[in-house]
Amino acid sequence: AQRVTQPEKLLSVFKGAPVELKCNYSYSGSPELFWYVQYSRQRLQLLLRHISRESIKGFTADLNKGETSFHLKKPFAQEEDSAMYYCALSGNNDMRFGAGTRLTVKP
Amino acid sequence: DTGVSQDPRHKITKRGQNVTFRCDPISEHNRLYWYRQTLGQGPEFLTYFQNEAQLEKSRLLSDRFSAERPKGSFSTLEIQRTEQGDSAMYLCASSLAGTAVKGYTFGSGTRLTVV
Repeated sequence: AQRVTQPEKLLSVFKGAPVELKCNYSYSGSPELFWYVQYSRQRLQLLLRHISRESIKGFTADLNKGETSFHLKKPFAQEEDSAMYYCALSGNNDMRFGAGTRLTVKP
Repeated sequence: DTGVSQDPRHKITKRGQNVTFRCDPISEHNRLYWYRQTLGQGPEFLTYFQNEAQLEKSRLLSDRFSAERPKGSFSTLEIQRTEQGDSAMYLCASSLAGTAVKGYTFGSGTRLTVV
């Protein structure tokens, strides 16, 4: 079964501080993992994909198959990073999402 | 192409009424997905189509729910005899088969309130 767990519903940091949003998954095959972001009053949008090993808006995420994790990190948080973040796993033709973490970056 | 469009943006209905939502995917995308999102939760998978074929349905999709994609382009999601528990945001997404690694493109959603 596909399952995605985001253990923190809320995360608050100060501007300039490092931030890490946790994501753990369970899947028997080779997963494709994603982070999606939803800013206030905007639609859900793709932030980054593990397969591309990219850095978007300063965020990176590394797939750790041993720990079945895909944590999202940014070394210096900005106020405009405040949003809902969802970790997602694509396995058998559909995508399953975690419950999300609301990140608030305080000035 | 302006992305994935959903109509209406908001729908308020009385319990027991039927409602229908529409989704227009990105034109070149042959896969279309419906999700439901309630407060404090991530999107929950309901069903998906590849072209006009409905290939998977979640157990969340009770008999009161039906989805169609008759010509492999737009899709409709109908809820019959609505219940208060159906109140949620209904999201549509699309993608191109074989490119799942590129992620999905989501619409803005239809917010359903059952009173």
